[in-house]
Amino acid sequence: EAQVTQNPRYLITVTGKKLTVTCSQNMNHEYMSWYRQDPGLGLRQIYYSMNVEVTDKGDVPEGYKVSRKEKRNFPLILESPSPNQTSLYFCASSRQGPTYYEQYFGPGTRLTVT
Amino acid sequence: GQQVMQIPQYQHVQEGEDFTTYCNSSTTLSNIQWYKQRPGGHPVFLIQLVKSGEVKKQKRLTFQFGEAKKNSSLHITATQTTDVGTYFCAGPFFVGTSYGKLTFGQGTILTVHP
Repeated sequence: EAQVTQNPRYLITVTGKKLTVTCSQNMNHEYMSWYRQDPGLGLRQIYYSMNVEVTDKGDVPEGYKVSRKEKRNFPLILESPSPNQTSLYFCASSRQGPTYYEQYFGPGTRLTVT
Repeated sequence: GQQVMQIPQYQHVQEGEDFTTYCNSSTTLSNIQWYKQRPGGHPVFLIQLVKSGEVKKQKRLTFQFGEAKKNSSLHITATQTTDVGTYFCAGPFFVGTSYGKLTFGQGTILTVHP
């Protein structure tokens, strides 16, 4: 089954404790992206990757890191989480860039930073 | 920076009434995509519009792309309870050497009262 998977689905952590949210897709997609969703703000892009070893900042990259060492994986790293990073996070992928190609979203990761 | 504004933020309708959400971009778009997110779920692709003035229909849903390719709308005729959810528009923006940045509108939350 074609899908985007994220782990963990739920995470409660404390300020400053480094964490990684994994994202994997099995569709051989070139493009992957991370978003955060907050009430009233919609989906805001954090980082995106056009292909392996190619990453770029989205609209809200501060406090996040990403890497794209393999085509299928695109982990999101929070080196020192803070309470304002409490949010619902979605990973997405598409065959190529978002121009003309639909995004497939993962199920989401709900992160709480206390 | 590039912005995509979507209104209204909320819409409450009685079952059978029509519903429209509007999307406006600060710059001309190459294409625009629409997504639906059911409560507790992840965004799911609905449709993509590419041509100036394009109109596409999916059963009771009608999507339009403005002549200037800066605005778009989604109209639902005779809403049903299954239409409940948040509707997002999204447009790609050129940054650096690619159209990798995807900006979403804030979304319209649709509630349908039976």
